[in-house]
Amino acid sequence: RKEVEQDPGPFNVPEGATVAFNCTYSNSASQSFFWYRQDCRKEPKLLMSVYSSGNEDGRFTAQLNRASQYISLLIRDSKLSDSATYLCVVIINAGNNRKLIWGLGTSLAVNP
Amino acid sequence: EAGVTQFPSHSVIEKGQTVTLRCDPISGHDNLYWYRRVMGKEIKFLLHFVKESKQDESGMPNNRFLAERTGGTYSTLKVQPAELEDSGVYFCASRGHNEQFFGPGTRLTVL
Repeated sequence: RKEVEQDPGPFNVPEGATVAFNCTYSNSASQSFFWYRQDCRKEPKLLMSVYSSGNEDGRFTAQLNRASQYISLLIRDSKLSDSATYLCVVIINAGNNRKLIWGLGTSLAVNP
Repeated sequence: EAGVTQFPSHSVIEKGQTVTLRCDPISGHDNLYWYRRVMGKEIKFLLHFVKESKQDESGMPNNRFLAERTGGTYSTLKVQPAELEDSGVYFCASRGHNEQFFGPGTRLTVL
């Protein structure tokens, strides 16, 4: 079983749609959670952190459910520029080591 | 402020050859990470430097990979001899306090 699992998609949605991505993680010792965005042939960039209380940034909402070991990302009113791969990232701290564990990514294509 | 830079952006080599990838982190960032993404797979952690010291190298695939960070500034990742399965995108990231900032990656193709 992969440490971080995501549905790779692709998700094809029209402009203006609401789309949700899910991610599950297997290590209960995971301490921090993030969504990264990666455009084609570019480096990953931090989109937002994920907290149990939820985190909202404009059209983007991220949520963490520790009991179910589940993370979500909701994008409202999708724009063409939202087309990218969304990567779920879990951080495990072990002593002084801070290791990022990556999901495979979910591909989103927003169509006109 | 300049971001993380990596060189070369692309490298195509034959099996058995040697390749050295370079990463220049953001100035002042003590933490430097190497990652690799093989096509169709997740991004995988390779190793973590704190200044010039290897903090965690548990992700290094085998002894054909050698990473260095002399002086605690830029880092190199050498693959010798390269094998077909080493093909992928190698990302470097640096971190000051919290967020890791990624370089554009080096796309390595081993033929």
